[in-house]
Amino acid sequence: AQKITQTQPGMFVQEKEAVTLDCTYDTSDQSYGLFWYKQPSSGEMIFLIYQGSYDEQNATEGRYSLNFQKARKSANLVISASQLGDSAMYFCAMREAMIKAAGNKLTFGGGTRVLVKP
Amino acid sequence: KAGVTQTPRYLIKTRGQQVTLSCSPISGHRSVSWYQQTPGQGLQFLFEYFSETQRNKGNFPGRFSGRQFSNSRSEMNVSTLELGDSALYLCASSQGSLENEQFFGPGTRLTVL
Repeated sequence: AQKITQTQPGMFVQEKEAVTLDCTYDTSDQSYGLFWYKQPSSGEMIFLIYQGSYDEQNATEGRYSLNFQKARKSANLVISASQLGDSAMYFCAMREAMIKAAGNKLTFGGGTRVLVKP
Repeated sequence: KAGVTQTPRYLIKTRGQQVTLSCSPISGHRSVSWYQQTPGQGLQFLFEYFSETQRNKGNFPGRFSGRQFSNSRSEMNVSTLELGDSALYLCASSQGSLENEQFFGPGTRLTVL
């Protein structure tokens, strides 16, 4: 079974509008972390936002916010006021077994390509 | 602070050859992870090194190996290259364990002919 599922392969969004990117995950661990990364056409992965499974508040970083619904196992990324520079691939990732010995291994979803229209 | 650097950025090899990719993490970071990105398989974890020890390993054949030096720089080696090894290889560094951020390098794009 897929551990991280991103059901939207691609989407268009109008400049200045908000967009929600879906991410559902599957884990039996109680302690885990969820990440969102942006990958422009240059290839570099840019960290956007992090949510820990025990965090009570949804994470926010500037125009990025994470809609974390633990019971539904979803961690959707919301980008507000889209800009042309937001056009990129977006990846949701999970780190399970949040113990030091487990290390920093990330499991990624398949990604969502976002194209911002002027 | 300089970011994660990877060399070379682009590489063309032929089947059967071997290749070594290098990753220099952010200064002070002790963990380096490697990922392979292909259109078909997406992003897949290769292995992680922490303080010169391999801490985690993904499901890749033994042709894929790595190491980390005392200055935290890491190399990954792929022997007997196959066409399917063509990919973007990304490395990520973080300070230690359970960090909330992992910083990625620009990647090395390997093409196997």
